[in-house]
Amino acid sequence: DGGITQSPKYLFRKEGQNVTLSCEQNLNHDAMYWYRQDPGQGLRLIYYSQIVNDFQKGDIAEGYSVSREKKESFPLTVTSAQKNPTAFYLCASSSKQGRTEAFFGQGTRLTVV
Amino acid sequence: GNSVTQMEGPVTLSEEAFLTINCTYTATGYPSLFWYVQYPGEGLQLLLKATKADDKGSNKGFEATYRKETTSFHLEKGSVQVSDSAVYFCALRTGGGADGLTFGKGTHLIIQP
Repeated sequence: DGGITQSPKYLFRKEGQNVTLSCEQNLNHDAMYWYRQDPGQGLRLIYYSQIVNDFQKGDIAEGYSVSREKKESFPLTVTSAQKNPTAFYLCASSSKQGRTEAFFGQGTRLTVV
Repeated sequence: GNSVTQMEGPVTLSEEAFLTINCTYTATGYPSLFWYVQYPGEGLQLLLKATKADDKGSNKGFEATYRKETTSFHLEKGSVQVSDSAVYFCALRTGGGADGLTFGKGTHLIIQP
C-alpha cells in the first residue's frame, strides 16, 4: 500500500542531544513537509521541500534541520538548539503542483527527559 | 495570502445529535477544499474534499459543500457517534509550494454517550 511512514512513534531525548525523525513515502510525491503540533494547537510548518536537494524554512525552523537526498525520504533533525522540542511531529507529502490533497504520516511524539 | 477560520472548540454533543463545524476561508486563486480528521495520537486523515464550487464532498456520513459565494465549507453529519470524537481540520490548497497549503487551527469534537 502507498503511504507515508514515520518512525519511531515515540522518541525520548536527553537535554543537549540531537535526534532524527524519519519520514519515508512511496507515493512518488515531489513535495514533503514537516509540521509541529503542540497540545490543543494547530499545525505549524517547520520545513518543506519541493524537490530533491532543495528545501525551504517554514514558520518555526530555528533549532531544526532537514535533508532531501532522495525523493522518498525527508528526515528531520531536532538539534540541541531547539529549546522546547517536546511536541508531536507530523510529516506530509503531496504533489508539487496543482490543488491536490496532502497525505500525512502517523506522527512521532518527541519527549525531552 | 490564504487563511482558514474554524469555529473554536471543544464542541460537545450527545450521541445521535446533528453536527455542524463551520469553516470559512480566504484565498488567492481558486482553492480545493478539504476536511481532515485526527484521532488521538495519530496523524491527519483526509475525510473529504471538494475541488470546485457547488461540489459536495462526502464520506462516512459526513458532508461538506463548496460554497464560493460565501467562501465556506462547513462540515455536517446527521447523527454523530462516540467514535466520531476527534479533532477536525479544515484546509485549502491553491497550488504548489507550502504557502498554497493552509490549515485551520482544528476543532476538537467530543461526543458523549
